[in-house]
Amino acid sequence: LAKTTQPISMDSYEGQEVNITCSHNNIATNDYITWYQQFPSQGPRFIIQGYKTKVTNEVASLFIPADRKSSTLSLPRVSLSDTAVYYCLVGPVNQAGTALIFGKGTTLSVSS
Amino acid sequence: SAVISQKPSRDICQRGTSLTIQCQVDSQVTMMFWYRQQPGQSLTLIATANQGSEATYESGFVIDKFPISRPNLTFSTLTVSNMSPEDSSIYLCSVVAGPYAVKEDEQFFGPGTRLTVL
Repeated sequence: LAKTTQPISMDSYEGQEVNITCSHNNIATNDYITWYQQFPSQGPRFIIQGYKTKVTNEVASLFIPADRKSSTLSLPRVSLSDTAVYYCLVGPVNQAGTALIFGKGTTLSVSS
Repeated sequence: SAVISQKPSRDICQRGTSLTIQCQVDSQVTMMFWYRQQPGQSLTLIATANQGSEATYESGFVIDKFPISRPNLTFSTLTVSNMSPEDSSIYLCSVVAGPYAVKEDEQFFGPGTRLTVL
């Protein structure tokens, strides 16, 4: 699995756009980039996945440059409820149902 | 999404005792996993719970310490044996996909069991 590097923590204020960048220099051709979100006292939950260019859903956008060596999770107009840990994971899609391996994640703190 | 429940939600235990954590899923799933999350840390995979056969453990985790059962496709248990304060963690059950997944490899997590060992 490709090693990922992301900031340990970020601070923001309500209403701002937050961009969390993840580096994955050794990403393989068949690897996807997936982000999970973990609220305090809950298990992680899937938020977005992409392979290249841009992916957008109702929660976030994921920007992936052409070389795919990094990716940026973008959260538009964050609120206090977006305070959570965000994990970037890189790996092939569902290799025989193998478990996700989590890195350290980025703790996002949103203040009013 | 798949509904996963865990029992107990939290417990405080004495050193040397054992605790069994239950994980119940509202639908049949192929893959079930157990993770540990120590205070302020990320998740660490303990093992894959295999239905009808022995669990597959990750490096650093052994069956004698963390016996796992999976009698059917909706239920699994993790026992933390002979506990010490270092076992104080959140233990999470997780399943892969099934019919609820946005992506075929999407994993769903239970709410976790917060264990404190005195």
